[in-house]
Amino acid sequence: GQSLEQPSEVTAVEGAIVQINCTYQTSGFYGLSWYQQHDGGAPTFLSYNALDGLEETGRFSSFLSRSDSYGYLLLQELQMKDSASYFCAVRGAGGFKTIFGAGTRLFVKA
Amino acid sequence: SQTIHQWPATLVQPVGSPLSLECTVEGTSNPNLYWYRQAAGRGLQLLFYSVGIGQISSEVPQNLSASRPQDRQFILSSKKLLLSDSGFYLCAWSPVDSDKTQYFGPGTRLLVL
Repeated sequence: GQSLEQPSEVTAVEGAIVQINCTYQTSGFYGLSWYQQHDGGAPTFLSYNALDGLEETGRFSSFLSRSDSYGYLLLQELQMKDSASYFCAVRGAGGFKTIFGAGTRLFVKA
Repeated sequence: SQTIHQWPATLVQPVGSPLSLECTVEGTSNPNLYWYRQAAGRGLQLLFYSVGIGQISSEVPQNLSASRPQDRQFILSSKKLLLSDSGFYLCAWSPVDSDKTQYFGPGTRLLVL
């Protein structure tokens, strides 16, 4: 079967750095995405990794290791507005189907 | 620029009643379209996806169905709602030649009583 695992909750303080891990098991792999979702809102795209290595977009970075079926999202200089749920998602077999993880709830404390 | 619309925003329906949720995309052609359901505090469950008019792939057997009568219109339906159909329904689109990024609509919050 296909599955993605990520921690259910992470808590960090304002200004700190936090890493949210994601391991996946899928039939076929085209890329790993990350989405942010605030309470009551729709998910919004953060980043995408198709190749091994680190992708940086402002305060957010995402890493992928295809040999380990593992990736992470790194959030730096945390702000209160970063409190949200973060989902990893894998574009797998068939290419046009994306499987989402259960999400990691990030709480940023003052 | 591209925009995605969903309506209604919220819906309360009795068990056994029919359902029709509509999603439309503007500013792009031949998008890939998706319906997801999200239970409270949970992840996104892919229900249906479509790569073209009349082409629907179902991911989870259930009492829901989807149709794509026009290029940028995606409809989620049910003939008889169940209590378990309650949830947050999200429509999304991605460019025709890539699923690298999906863009989500505002969602419909459905409560079946």
